[in-house]
Amino acid sequence: DAKTTQPTSMDCAEGRAANLPCNHSTISGNEYVYWYRQIHSQGPQYIIHGLKNNETNEMASLIITEDRKSSTLILPHATLRDTAVYYCIVRPSGTSGSRLTFGEGTQLTVNP
Amino acid sequence: EAQVTQNPRYLITVTGKKLTVTCSQNMNHEYMSWYRQDPGLGLRQIYYSMNVEVTDKGDVPEGYKVSRKEKRNFPLILESPSPNQTSLYFCASSLFKGAGANVLTFGAGSRLTVL
Repeated sequence: DAKTTQPTSMDCAEGRAANLPCNHSTISGNEYVYWYRQIHSQGPQYIIHGLKNNETNEMASLIITEDRKSSTLILPHATLRDTAVYYCIVRPSGTSGSRLTFGEGTQLTVNP
Repeated sequence: EAQVTQNPRYLITVTGKKLTVTCSQNMNHEYMSWYRQDPGLGLRQIYYSMNVEVTDKGDVPEGYKVSRKEKRNFPLILESPSPNQTSLYFCASSLFKGAGANVLTFGAGSRLTVL
């Protein structure tokens, strides 16, 4: 599986957009980009995923560059409850996506 | 409610005393996996299973065993726990096909301390 690189930490003001980058320069054609977040020591929670088109759901937007080597998770109006560790992983579709590695992620702190 | 249930949530034990952490999912997922989380090391995969009776090692399988006799259950067994297995453990599951394929659902975690 492709490896991802994320900044260790980021800060964001409450109400502003939080833009979290992820580098996955060795991504393969059949690998999707997934984002999860973990609040305190709870189980990680799925946010969004995509292959090559930009995606949006009720939680966030995902922007994937045309060459697919990087992506950005956007929380449009960050709240204090969005303070969490955010993980970006890449995973192939189907059964080939079995062995997974999560890095250390990005600690996002939303400040009042 | 669709969920992954782990038990126990908290456990303090002593070196060498066998223990099992159970994991059960009610979503008919084929794929199940165990992770451990330690400060500064992210989530590391211990074992995974692609279906009943099909298991394989992840990145850190030493000192652990698993079994997948039923689709819904994937217990993690520590035959002889040691202090370096003190950690926060997560179980996760997903489908391989269809809507929501490969989206992991995680359990709430099991915090294990080995004295």
